[in-house]
Amino acid sequence: QVQLQQWGAGLLKPSETLSLTCAVYGASFSDYYWSWIRQPPGKGLEWIGEINHSGSANYNPSLKNRVTISLDTSKSQFSLKLSSVTAADTAVYYCARRNFLMVIDIFYDYYYFMDVWGQGTTVSVSS
Amino acid sequence: SSELIQDPAVSVALGQTVRITCQGDSLRTYYASWYQQKPGQAPVLVFYGKNKRPSGIPDRFSGSSSGNTASLTVTGAQAEDEADYYCHSRDSSDNHVFGGGTKVTVL
Repeated sequence: QVQLQQWGAGLLKPSETLSLTCAVYGASFSDYYWSWIRQPPGKGLEWIGEINHSGSANYNPSLKNRVTISLDTSKSQFSLKLSSVTAADTAVYYCARRNFLMVIDIFYDYYYFMDVWGQGTTVSVSS
Repeated sequence: SSELIQDPAVSVALGQTVRITCQGDSLRTYYASWYQQKPGQAPVLVFYGKNKRPSGIPDRFSGSSSGNTASLTVTGAQAEDEADYYCHSRDSSDNHVFGGGTKVTVL
């Protein structure tokens, strides 16, 4: 059974760098994209970015200047760094596996979905 | 960047059917996936693509798509279906986006 276990600092001061790590258990690291998603208190989900086994990353344009997602394939772990945090970055942060399925119907259809999620890490930014 | 629009809240009587909709330009090209989130828990995938339901998800959850609108239907809603539901899609720039979420109340 695939599991994601995440950890990292939960309390930061403004201007510091958020750092979280997610470990992958029971899945081939190389067959998927690995994502970070966050959820501010009382609000919806926001996609932060993703990375694949070769290090190719995609980032949310609204966060791109502050975000770095990296990976350690030897440990089956991937990490998130978000620089210059403010109170607006206070949220629950989730890691997730982004899966992909190609289906041949009349045409080729492509399905993208997050099928495994970490437990979430609450990060608060306060002076 | 792309955007997905969901109704903020909907209610359904126990045992009745509720449909949750999601609108966005990216849905003309890519199928949506749907997530259920209960308070204090991580989201759970409940439906994706044209007709895919993950193992363990009851068959009362189904999905459909037409034009720029995707829908998740719960047929015979149960008390345990009360939750927030989010749609998700990829966009043409290799980015991903979530809808704002729909709170489903089972009466």
